[in-house]
Amino acid sequence: DVKVTQSSRYLVKRTGEKVFLECVQDMDHENMFWYRQDPGLGLRLIYFSYDVKMKEKGDIPEGYSVSREKKERFSLILESASTNQTSMYLCASSFGEMSSYEQYFGPGTRLTVT
Amino acid sequence: TQLLEQSPQFLSIQEGENLTVYCNSSSVFSSLQWYRQEPGEGPVLLVTVVTGGEVKKLKRLTFQFGDARKDSSLHITAAQPGDTGLYLCADDRDDKIIFGKGTRLHILP
Repeated sequence: DVKVTQSSRYLVKRTGEKVFLECVQDMDHENMFWYRQDPGLGLRLIYFSYDVKMKEKGDIPEGYSVSREKKERFSLILESASTNQTSMYLCASSFGEMSSYEQYFGPGTRLTVT
Repeated sequence: TQLLEQSPQFLSIQEGENLTVYCNSSSVFSSLQWYRQEPGEGPVLLVTVVTGGEVKKLKRLTFQFGDARKDSSLHITAAQPGDTGLYLCADDRDDKIIFGKGTRLHILP
């Protein structure tokens, strides 16, 4: 079975802090994704990557950056956390071409910025 | 712009009842996935439907893809408390996955 793990289930940070969210998958998937999930807004794509050192902006990249130095690891960085970045962050991975898109999700990180 | 419309937004029913939730689009789906997300967890893929008119069954869950591939339904027979969760549909649009906002289902024991 595919396993996607995220570094923390719950995280509390202060406004202005730099925040790192880590995601690791163990199935050699090419594609990795970061979403945030908010009530009433659904899942929104922040960034995705289809190869090592490659990244593409999703629908809401502002205030975020990503890093993919190894195939199995995709990191989301909040350069200067703000309260409107309080959310559930979900990482996902998938195999093959972008159109072959069955996604496997991690358990999520619930981030609170105070 | 909401590309995928899911209905109803919320549904609360008694254990043992049947229910149907819907996913609709104004555009033709490339293919459609259904996910279930339990509270505090990430979504888990339930099924992918590809062909218009396709019907797939997963135990008490029946997934149907409309002939025109612009709508899909998920029917649950004899709902159980373990079916509680957020049901999401998703489609591949412009090389990105688009999710609906989901139907939040609560099964009362």
